[in-house]
Amino acid sequence: TQLLEQSPQFLSIQEGENLTVYCNSSSVFSSLQWYRQEPGEGPVLLVTVVTGGEVKKLKRLTFQFGDARKDSSLHITAAQTGDTGLYLCAGARSGGSNYKLTFGKGTLLTVNP
Amino acid sequence: NAGVMQNPRHLVRRRGQEARLRCSPMKGHSHVYWYRQLPEEGLKFMVYLQKENIIDESGMPKERFSAEFPKEGPSILRIQQVVRGDSAAYFCASSPIGQPGQENTEAFFGQGTRLTVV
Repeated sequence: TQLLEQSPQFLSIQEGENLTVYCNSSSVFSSLQWYRQEPGEGPVLLVTVVTGGEVKKLKRLTFQFGDARKDSSLHITAAQTGDTGLYLCAGARSGGSNYKLTFGKGTLLTVNP
Repeated sequence: NAGVMQNPRHLVRRRGQEARLRCSPMKGHSHVYWYRQLPEEGLKFMVYLQKENIIDESGMPKERFSAEFPKEGPSILRIQQVVRGDSAAYFCASSPIGQPGQENTEAFFGQGTRLTVV
């Protein structure tokens, strides 16, 4: 059972367009993280959100954590070719096993020049 | 401050051989996690270690897989008698305390070891 569903699975857009990718679950997470992974590399942390309803901005990237802490979205404004990569969300549960991150399968974003 | 260092980056083994993957955590980090990424799959938790202790190995196959994090030296993920299904990217992450999902204590990932079993 995939606890974190990411959509869309693939996204190909032109430079300058806006986009939103989603991370959904039926489970509650104490926090949620977004990573970007480039081919042949490890995931690089972009942001951690911990409070329901929280919105964080990182330059052209806006991250939102759902009120119920079950879902999250990543919005990119005016995408650039350098934004190309695999975007992963990962959730941490509360309680004794909060060290264990549950990852979605990712959204593979291609930004074309 | 060097990041998480994994080696080798690429490893090719024949079926039945042993694979040994190494991970040096970030300076000051004493908590290490191993994840496996299969093609078309997300990263899956394998094991969580602190120095000289295995805290949680619930994600690791019961047979052929073992992990250690000795007092001195890197963490080692060892796969004995490898099979084709072990081919994957293996990532190590480290954090300063055992709460990688929290702000200011996040885990940082290495570049991974890509294991190919032929």
